[in-house]
Amino acid sequence: AQSVTQLGSHVSVSEGALVLLRCNYSSSVPPYLFWYVQYPNQGLQLLLKYTTGATLVKGINGFEAEFKKSETSFHLTKPSAHMSDAAEYFCAVSESSGYSTLTFGKGTMLLVSP
Amino acid sequence: GAGVSQSPSNKVTEKGKDVELRCDPISGHTALYWYRQSLGQGLEFLIYFQGNSAPDKSGLPSDRFSAERTGGSVSTLTIQRTQQEDSAVYLCASSLAGQGHFHTFGSGTRLTVV
Repeated sequence: AQSVTQLGSHVSVSEGALVLLRCNYSSSVPPYLFWYVQYPNQGLQLLLKYTTGATLVKGINGFEAEFKKSETSFHLTKPSAHMSDAAEYFCAVSESSGYSTLTFGKGTMLLVSP
Repeated sequence: GAGVSQSPSNKVTEKGKDVELRCDPISGHTALYWYRQSLGQGLEFLIYFQGNSAPDKSGLPSDRFSAERTGGSVSTLTIQRTQQEDSAVYLCASSLAGQGHFHTFGSGTRLTVV
């Protein structure tokens, strides 16, 4: 069975500071990994994904994540936070490329202060 | 359509009433998924459709929950005899055949049972 752990239900940063949101996963097969962002009263928007190949993945809005198999991690980073980055972020894992459900972490609320 | 459309966006219902939630997937997407997002539980998978059939109903929490899909397009999630613990945001996602891990999500239906 697959699972996802996101460390920290809330992360607070100042505008311009580094953003680091942590995600660790458990999977019995090579995983596909995702980060989604959810703004208030909206659905989930895909930020970035890792399927195969390069382990450093770049996404939208300046975010990136690195797949580290030895650490079973897929942490999300952004060098400089903007106020508009304030939202809830979800890490997710799936185990196959055909039919697959997503298993989500509990989410991390990112708070950005001026 | 251009995106996944869900209706209503908000629904308040009295305990014990039945509710129907609708999802209109992206045109051409044969796979359709329902998830539930509730406080303290995060995002949970409910049911998956491939065309009109539902090979995986493993996430439905009780027999009060059912779903159908007609014409390989619109899906309806029905909750009978609603309980307060059913209050949550119900999210629908769709994907192309063979690309199940690339979900596109709708904005969700916020259900409040009073």
